[in-house]
Amino acid sequence: EIVLTQSPGTLSLSPGERGTLSCRASQSVRSNYLAWYQLKPGQAPRLLIFGASSRSIGIPDRFSGSGSGTDFTLTISRLEPEDFAIYYCQYYGSSPGTFGQGTKVEIK
Amino acid sequence: DVRLVESGGALVQPGGSLRLSCAASRFTFNTYWMTWVRQAPGKGLEWVANIKEDGTDKYYADSVKGRFTVSRDNAKNSLYLQMNSLRAEDTAVYYCARGHFFDLWGRGTLVTVSS
Repeated sequence: EIVLTQSPGTLSLSPGERGTLSCRASQSVRSNYLAWYQLKPGQAPRLLIFGASSRSIGIPDRFSGSGSGTDFTLTISRLEPEDFAIYYCQYYGSSPGTFGQGTKVEIK
Repeated sequence: DVRLVESGGALVQPGGSLRLSCAASRFTFNTYWMTWVRQAPGKGLEWVANIKEDGTDKYYADSVKGRFTVSRDNAKNSLYLQMNSLRAEDTAVYYCARGHFFDLWGRGTLVTVSS
């Protein structure tokens, strides 16, 4: 089973800054089956990225995903106030599935 | 709107049982794998179980294997999670989600296991 490790645990940034979130897999991810989600309190999670780099419908282009093999990155080019949230990566190439432990992006 | 709506969450005693439901609307339910995901208080997302489009394949997290059963009724556009032998650590918001990567989520239903 693939284990996903996200870093950092917390990222303290100001609006307008660039955010870089990492997701490292314990073994190579098949066919880049890696997704990213945003989670805010009291709301359903929101799919941002699938296939490591494809943006989901309606997701602003300030969100981008990259990486392959075992190392993946979610980049938020310029943080908007609504982007402060917790972000999770997920491997979906096999079942049972797995999530990373999350990165909290907080206002500095 | 395309949506998923969970129901059935409640306060239940340790060792008890509960059945969650997820009603799907405005998409072709029987063409998607469906998944249950949970989030315990103050914790991250945990993948729980999923089921193939026709119900013939099912997978479970080790933490729930042997206690939880996922099922679906495509005629009713509904997904279920039968939870038995509940433990305090099963306390969480339970979400149903569409697919293998989850482009559609419900708003969740709260399960609290406590005496």
